[in-house]
Amino acid sequence: QKEVEQDPGPLSVPEGAIVSLNCTYSNSAFQYFMWYRQYSRKGPELLMYTYSSGNKEDGRFTAQVDKSSKYISLFIRDSQPSDSATYLCAMKEAGNNRKLIWGLGTSLAVNP
Amino acid sequence: GAVVSQHPSWVICKSGTSVKIECRSLDFQATTMFWYRQFPKQSLMLMATSNEGSKATYEQGVEKDKFLINHASLTLSTLTVTSAHPEDSSFYICSARMSSGQPQHFGDGTRLSIL
Repeated sequence: QKEVEQDPGPLSVPEGAIVSLNCTYSNSAFQYFMWYRQYSRKGPELLMYTYSSGNKEDGRFTAQVDKSSKYISLFIRDSQPSDSATYLCAMKEAGNNRKLIWGLGTSLAVNP
Repeated sequence: GAVVSQHPSWVICKSGTSVKIECRSLDFQATTMFWYRQFPKQSLMLMATSNEGSKATYEQGVEKDKFLINHASLTLSTLTVTSAHPEDSSFYICSARMSSGQPQHFGDGTRLSIL
């Protein structure tokens, strides 16, 4: 079993839909949780960064962390065609030498 | 804020050539920089971690003599692929981080094609 599981999709939704993206993990020591967006042939762009449990909102994006279930989510409201990209979750333990553990990424297409 | 610039974005060269890729943090000081490799439709694979002024720490299976990393300042790290061969063709991405509790910010990657 991988440390981080993420459904690769593809996920296709109509413009304006609410998108729900998820990752599950097995390591209870993970403390930092991130969502990145990656367009084709570009580097990942940080969308959300959360420490420990709870919700965080930034514009149309909401990140949720449920440590008891080892489950994180990213919600995109009023999705736009420009949101079409691959969404990667990443997480790490506390500590300077801990590296990011990545999900495989979910490919999202928002259709106009 | 937190902009990372990577150069070049695309390079094509002959087998046996050495190629240098630069990674700069433009608006912050990066105590740690990271180098990743990404294959098509796969996630990022960490190659090495470098702290300013120290030798890089390479992940298992990554040849340190093949992939030379220099992190000479708090805003610049370089990756040199020495004597590159077609199997080294890939998408190389750098990231930079201000401190341990901060997230990594990524450059736009370098597409390396070895003929």
